[in-house]
Amino acid sequence: EAGVAQSPRYKIIEKRQSVAFWCNPISGHATLYWYQQILGQGPKLLIQFQNNGVVDDSQLPKDRFSAERLKGVDSTLKIQPAKLEDSAVYLCASGTDRMYTEAFFGQGTRLTVV
Amino acid sequence: GENVEQHPSTLSVQEGDSAVIKCTYSDSASNYFPWYKQELGKRPQLIIDIRSNVGEKKDQRIAVTLNKTAKHFSLHITETQPEDSAVYFCAASDTNNNAGNMLTFGGGTRLMVKP
Repeated sequence: EAGVAQSPRYKIIEKRQSVAFWCNPISGHATLYWYQQILGQGPKLLIQFQNNGVVDDSQLPKDRFSAERLKGVDSTLKIQPAKLEDSAVYLCASGTDRMYTEAFFGQGTRLTVV
Repeated sequence: GENVEQHPSTLSVQEGDSAVIKCTYSDSASNYFPWYKQELGKRPQLIIDIRSNVGEKKDQRIAVTLNKTAKHFSLHITETQPEDSAVYFCAASDTNNNAGNMLTFGGGTRLMVKP
């Protein structure tokens, strides 16, 4: 089966600029996650969607980060304005809505803020 | 919320030796504990998982043990090979809390297997 697709793979922006990441989950997966992985650390959940509704966004810095999942399929994560500390890999993952379901990760987008 | 601690942060072993990575979690409601392997520049991939109603699970050279009372779980890799070199992440989730799995990850262990 096709995996989770993310784009772009790499992005370099200056601080205070805006950036958007795109994710296409595995077909049929109801749940979609965005994780932030800072170099040398484990992934940190930013937001979880169930279809097109938000399940949890308690760790999303809402003053600068936003995410949407229109029509319950693709999702975009936006940062506006970016800060130096936002430099990280942004991983999208998807899974079914069953218990104990595996989260399938995309390749990620490596963001560098200079 | 959940907090997952992972040790050691780096582990170097000789090929053929065993490797053990340990994690502790804080939320007693957590009931699902997956382990992910992430090779350099690649996506995290699930290698094994365990549910809270099981104390041990084995899949060929890898095994995971869970101690619910102490709130810790461990990954064991036997007969290590150079291709086992990667960063390993443990994670915990309370699957009763919401649909799907909202995973809290540990900080990762960089395993290096020397030929």
